[in-house]
Amino acid sequence: SQELEQSPQSLIVQEGKNLTINCTSSKTLYGLYWYKQKYGEGLIFLMMLQKGGEEKSHEKITAKLDEKKQQSSLHITASQPSHAGIYLCGALLTTSGTYKYIFGTGTRLKVLA
Amino acid sequence: NAGVTQTPKFQVLKTGQSMTLQCAQDMNHNSMYWYRQDPGMGLRLIYYSASEGTTDKGEVPNGYNVSRLNKREFSLRLESAAPSQTSVYFCASRRLAGGPDTQYFGPGTRLTVL
Repeated sequence: SQELEQSPQSLIVQEGKNLTINCTSSKTLYGLYWYKQKYGEGLIFLMMLQKGGEEKSHEKITAKLDEKKQQSSLHITASQPSHAGIYLCGALLTTSGTYKYIFGTGTRLKVLA
Repeated sequence: NAGVTQTPKFQVLKTGQSMTLQCAQDMNHNSMYWYRQDPGMGLRLIYYSASEGTTDKGEVPNGYNVSRLNKREFSLRLESAAPSQTSVYFCASRRLAGGPDTQYFGPGTRLTVL
């Protein structure tokens, strides 16, 4: 089972619409990262959240981390075709005193012009 | 400043063949990582190197070996390729100081094993 669950798995929206992608863990996260991957390319770092309740924005993308640091959401306002791609959340968590990076399975976003 | 570079970008192998995937970073990061990405599985860690001279197994190390040649370079070797190793391989390096703790990824190597 995935330690980091992402939903939805895929999303198709009309240009101009808002959308939200969620990332959930059953464990406390020590860092939550959002990446964007264009089809056939590498991952591009978008934002990192560390503190409970933290919120960051970059252009039309806003990411939030809940107070318990177990859930994050990525919100895109007025989506554009350039937002299309795969969004992955990644997290730093500890298991038996060892830190490790884990990733969600990704959300495939398509924006219709 | 090229960030993280990977070679080759594409490779097709026959079962049993061997090959080495190369990765280099010019950001002076201590930690480097190799992941594989498969549909529906997300990114899974194969091996990592916390610092020059050290390597450790990740989640899916079987069938792979790594070498941390120096601070810049971290290679992944498939000694006897199997169809199950068909995947996209990503190398990453991690910044721990001088900014947010985050990983920077290379463009990936698409490997097909026939």
